[in-house]
Amino acid sequence: AQKITQTQPGMFVQEKEAVTLDCTYDTSDPSYGLFWYKQPSSGEMIFLIYQGSYDQQNATEGRYSLNFQKARKSANLVISASQLGDSAMYFCAMRELPHSGAGSYQLTFGKGTKLSVIP
Amino acid sequence: EAGVTQFPSHSVIEKGQTVTLRCDPISGHDNLYWYRRVMGKEIKFLLHFVKESKQDESGMPNNRFLAERTGGTYSTLKVQPAELEDSGVYFCASSQWATNTEAFFGQGTRLTVV
Repeated sequence: AQKITQTQPGMFVQEKEAVTLDCTYDTSDPSYGLFWYKQPSSGEMIFLIYQGSYDQQNATEGRYSLNFQKARKSANLVISASQLGDSAMYFCAMRELPHSGAGSYQLTFGKGTKLSVIP
Repeated sequence: EAGVTQFPSHSVIEKGQTVTLRCDPISGHDNLYWYRRVMGKEIKFLLHFVKESKQDESGMPNNRFLAERTGGTYSTLKVQPAELEDSGVYFCASSQWATNTEAFFGQGTRLTVV
């Protein structure tokens, strides 16, 4: 089973509107972290927002907020007031605890959602 | 402060040749990760260094891939000999602590094997 599922390969949003990018995850660990990254056409991966599994409140960073629903194992990214520069690929990722001494805090990524902002 | 830097940004090589990718993490970051995205698929973990030691190399696809981080500073990822399926974008990321709330990524190296 996939650990991170992003069901929307592509999304369109009108400029200045809000948009929600879906992400569901699968883990049995009580402690984990959820990340969203943006990848514009230039290729770099830009960190947007982080949510810890024990965080009581939803994370917010400027126009980005994370709608964290722990029981449903979802961590949707909400972008408010979309801008043309928001057009990019968006990746949801999860970090779990290592399952052995030799493990690492690696990120597991979803397939991404391509967001296009329409003027 | 400089971010994570990767060299080269693009590389086109023939099947059977050798390519070496380089990653310069953010200064002071002990944790360095390599990831790869093959066309149309998820970004996959390759390996994790803590300083100069390989903490986890479970994601390395096969023994044609060799990663090093001498002195705990920059890291190299060598592919020898390269195969067509090695084509993709190779990302490097670094963080000061393994449990940091973010890992900083480089811009990636796009490798094309023809």
